[in-house]
Amino acid sequence: DGGITQSPKYLFRKEGQNVTLSCEQNLNHDTMYWYRQDPGQGLRLIYYSQIVNDFQKGDIAEGYSVSREKKESFPLTVTSAQKNPTAFYLCASSNRGRYNSPLHFGNGTRLTVT
Amino acid sequence: AQKVTQAQTEISVVEKEDVTLDCVYETRDTTYYLFWYKQPPSGELVFLIRRNSFDEQNEISGRYSWNFQKSTSSFNFTITASQVVDSAVYFCALSVVSGGSNYKLTFGKGTLLTVNP
Repeated sequence: DGGITQSPKYLFRKEGQNVTLSCEQNLNHDTMYWYRQDPGQGLRLIYYSQIVNDFQKGDIAEGYSVSREKKESFPLTVTSAQKNPTAFYLCASSNRGRYNSPLHFGNGTRLTVT
Repeated sequence: AQKVTQAQTEISVVEKEDVTLDCVYETRDTTYYLFWYKQPPSGELVFLIRRNSFDEQNEISGRYSWNFQKSTSSFNFTITASQVVDSAVYFCALSVVSGGSNYKLTFGKGTLLTVNP
């Protein structure tokens, strides 16, 4: 079945360390997204990519970095510059990135930084 | 600027009750899309429905129904005869075109629905 795979499901890191979250999709979607979810805050867009080797900042890109070397993969690195990295991270994709296309989401990665 | 307000942070009902989740949106665009997503405890958001700004017809899908009213900028979601499996966080979202081929998708903060047996 097609879908989005995020790994790992839970991730623990020490403060000051960079950490990379994996996101892979086999839906043949062009556009991929990273969202951050905090309790009671809804979803906030970190980065998105509409094509390989290109990506755009979302609303809260500071302290994060991404790459898009393959259409299927869109890893997110949470750097030590991110002040409050503990959160639930969701990866999503959509067909052609059209504004009327529903997003397909992965199961998320819960990152805890202590 | 776009904004989506889900005023109900949490709702608790007993199984078989009907429940309505409210969604109010703000946008100056005349062309936009509205979405509802469900997030069960597993964490993955599941797409439920999409409605464009030119289609005000209400929609029913099984026990789910949606009431879109442009006059009040609302897109409310009703679950009839709720079941325990309906327990989840529900998000309303608004999508507008922004800058050529780009677009802006704004989520509400979500409503946690708990259906008790």
